Amino acid sequence: SQTIHQWPATLVQPVGSPLSLECTVEGTSNPNLYWYRQAAGRGLQLLFYSVGIGQISSEVPQNLSASRPQDRQFILSSKKLLLSDSGFYLCAWSYSGNTGTGYTFGSGTRLTVV
Amino acid sequence: EDQVTQSPEALRLQEGESSSLNCSYTVSGLRGLFWYRQDPGKGPEFLFTLYSAGEEKEKERLKATLTKKESFLHITAPKPEDSATYLCAVTGANSKLTFGKGITLSVRP
Repeated sequence: SQTIHQWPATLVQPVGSPLSLECTVEGTSNPNLYWYRQAAGRGLQLLFYSVGIGQISSEVPQNLSASRPQDRQFILSSKKLLLSDSGFYLCAWSYSGNTGTGYTFGSGTRLTVV
Repeated sequence: EDQVTQSPEALRLQEGESSSLNCSYTVSGLRGLFWYRQDPGKGPEFLFTLYSAGEEKEKERLKATLTKKESFLHITAPKPEDSATYLCAVTGANSKLTFGKGITLSVRP
């Protein structure tokens, strides 16, 4: 069966510090991978998605970047965090081609920038 | 652009009081409509996928239905453990999942 791992669960970082959140998927090959941010009252916002190694599409211009160094690894990064980067970050995967099978989400990372 | 609107934003029910959650959508070439449950501090958990108007799916006290413009999540005789945020999402021709803002359900014992 497929599983998705996301860490850390919680993170408190000072403004201006770097960020690295990691997500890995097991039990499938060549998945589509996604990073979402969830803010109170605003729903889930798609930040980045990837259909393969090194292939990253950005949905929202911002202070963050994503990378996919391996088939089942997805990393969300920032060089300098802003207060507005605080939120709940979710990684998800779907089968390649996405014929309507939906996404499976990780457990999320609560990021607080202070 | 695909859009999903959920209503009401919050719903408080007494245990055993049945109700429905609404999800209205506009999408180009619907490939699937999804319902998720999200508990506080956790990732969304998949509940149902509906693919075409008229389709219905059930799981315990939950039943999801789909028309060409909206979906309903019916909750029959809810229990306190059904308290959560329920998210609706659609995927269309662009293969991206678009979410609504969610409905926070509280069930009082």
